[in-house]
Amino acid sequence: AQTVTQSQPEMSVQEAETVTLSCTYDTSESDYYLFWYKQPPSRQMILVIRQEAYKQQNATENRFSVNFQKAAKSFSLKISDSQLGDAAMYFCAYCLTTSGTYKYIFGTGTRLKVLA
Amino acid sequence: DGGITQSPKYLFRKEGQNVTLSCEQNLNHDAMYWYRQDPGQGLRLIYYSQIVNDFQKGDIAEGYSVSREKKESFPLTVTSAQKNPTAFYLCASSIGSGAGDTQYFGPGTRLTVL
Repeated sequence: AQTVTQSQPEMSVQEAETVTLSCTYDTSESDYYLFWYKQPPSRQMILVIRQEAYKQQNATENRFSVNFQKAAKSFSLKISDSQLGDAAMYFCAYCLTTSGTYKYIFGTGTRLKVLA
Repeated sequence: DGGITQSPKYLFRKEGQNVTLSCEQNLNHDAMYWYRQDPGQGLRLIYYSQIVNDFQKGDIAEGYSVSREKKESFPLTVTSAQKNPTAFYLCASSIGSGAGDTQYFGPGTRLTVL
């Protein structure tokens, strides 16, 4: 069965500094997608970044980038130049469609605090 | 403005009663989803619909039912068979149901069973 593990329940970062959130997953599939979502206090989920498993190049979106290690099944999120608005819960997720079945598995989240 | 609306924001229900949560989207998306979020946990997929008049069970469908009679609407009914219904419910939609399609989420409904 597919699983997603976020081992850091909470992280803190100083404003303007860089922080890395960890995520590992388990799957026997070779073609899938990985995501990082942000959930601010409003609780509305927002996509931060997406990675296709068959692409070796790490995805980047402005200040957000990932370190995707397929063999190690690791998918960490790096936030550069942290801003107060980055404070939120961050969820790592895995998605796969196979034989008409749709699987979307979320980790338990990491709460990021940004210190002024 | 295009987006997803969920109503109500807060919902209270007595034990033994069925309740329906609304989800509407005006993004012209084919696929829609329902998730449940409990404290300290990530989202879990309840049901999804890839196209009108079709839907499939997710990982935790027991005690829930859905319908997809219109492209823009995907209501979720929490039945009395759901043993622990108090949770935060999120609806989402995507243009297609491929694994890489971006899901857009609504603001959620907080359901409390009294």
